[in-house]
Amino acid sequence: AQTVTQSQPEMSVQEAETVTLSCTYDTSESDYYLFWYKQPPSRQMILVIRQEAYKQQNATENRFSVNFQKAAKSFSLKISDSQLGDAAMYFCAYRSDGGGADGLTFGKGTHLIIQP
Amino acid sequence: GAGVSQSPSNKVTEKGKDVELRCDPISGHTALYWYRQSLGQGLEFLIYFQGNSAPDKSGLPSDRFSAERTGGSVSTLTIQRTQQEDSAVYLCASSRTSGDSYEQYFGPGTRLTVT
Repeated sequence: AQTVTQSQPEMSVQEAETVTLSCTYDTSESDYYLFWYKQPPSRQMILVIRQEAYKQQNATENRFSVNFQKAAKSFSLKISDSQLGDAAMYFCAYRSDGGGADGLTFGKGTHLIIQP
Repeated sequence: GAGVSQSPSNKVTEKGKDVELRCDPISGHTALYWYRQSLGQGLEFLIYFQGNSAPDKSGLPSDRFSAERTGGSVSTLTIQRTQQEDSAVYLCASSRTSGDSYEQYFGPGTRLTVT
């Protein structure tokens, strides 16, 4: 079974600064997908960024980028120019590429606080 | 278009009662997923539907839990004889297909409190 570990229960950053959230995972599969989801107090899970394991290039979405290290099984999220609206729980998630019942495996989450 | 909707938003029930949680996926999404989010266990994947079929029910926590989907659309998650450990937020998600990286769109969840 796959596992996802987020070692930072809480992170704090000053507005406009850069913050990196860590995620490691364990799998024996070679093809899979990795995701970062944001969950604000409204409970709605919102996809922030996605990475396909077969792609060597790190994914970027505006102020959000990842550092994907496949051999190290590491998938960190960098948020640049942090904004107050970025405050939320952030979850790292793994999904197999088995073509079947592929639910997401989530980490425990990191609570991101933005200091004004 | 409309996103994934779930009802009720909040549900308080007494221990031992049955509850039904409803999920209405995005129109045209063939895959539907249920997750449970609790303080102790984090986010757990419960069950997945492709159309009306659930190939693997092993993620359901106990035989008190069941789920069905009809018409390839609305799904209900039923918990019989609720226990206090069932208290959690139940999230539903849908996607266009299950066999690729297509994004899972989540609903706002149902917060279940068992007293």
